[in-house]
Amino acid sequence: GENVEQHPSTLSVQEGDSAVIKCTYSDSASNYFPWYKQELGKGPQLIIDIRSNVGEKKDQRIAVTLNKTAKHFSLHITETQPEDSAVYFCAASIKTYKYIFGTGTRLKVLA
Amino acid sequence: DTEVTQTPKHLVMGMTNKKSLKCEQHMGHRAMYWYKQKAKKPPELMFVYSYEKLSINESVPSRFSPECPNSSLLNLHLHALQPEDSALYLCASSQVGYRPSTDTQYFGPGTRLTVL
Repeated sequence: GENVEQHPSTLSVQEGDSAVIKCTYSDSASNYFPWYKQELGKGPQLIIDIRSNVGEKKDQRIAVTLNKTAKHFSLHITETQPEDSAVYFCAASIKTYKYIFGTGTRLKVLA
Repeated sequence: DTEVTQTPKHLVMGMTNKKSLKCEQHMGHRAMYWYKQKAKKPPELMFVYSYEKLSINESVPSRFSPECPNSSLLNLHLHALQPEDSALYLCASSQVGYRPSTDTQYFGPGTRLTVL
């Protein structure tokens, strides 16, 4: 069946360093890939997304890259700050209204 | 404004109680969702309403009953729940565009439900 693999499950970085989270999807028909940040006790918050007709998208310190051939997409956070500490979920659309979520990455930014 | 609101924030109920969760959005979105999230897991889709009609039911037990009274409101009625139903219940909404599979879902803060 459809699935999204997400790695690593936990990631610790020093403040100011970069963090990279990788996802691989199985459904070649997937055409939309959002990334969500979830802080403790809160709902997932969209931080960036990418559609299948684009290879890369940037928003200040956050970027997402997509390799459709390899079915990989990645989240890049530069100059990490303590407030970036959270759980990050990738997702891939598999059909109308339905996403498959990755298993999540717990990012810790050490001050 | 991409705000979805949910009430209550926390709910504790017994297995014989009846309660309801509420969700509201004023973004003009025509699709609304209920998700269930267990600790350290991703959200799991339960129901989707599109234009106030139930579009997707992910084989959810009948003790969960969704309702969409209008395009801005979504309710989840709870009855005879089990302790394993304790979780964070998330509401989300999205536009229904010309390519619905690329519509962004915006989540609310969730209701933390504990079933005793």
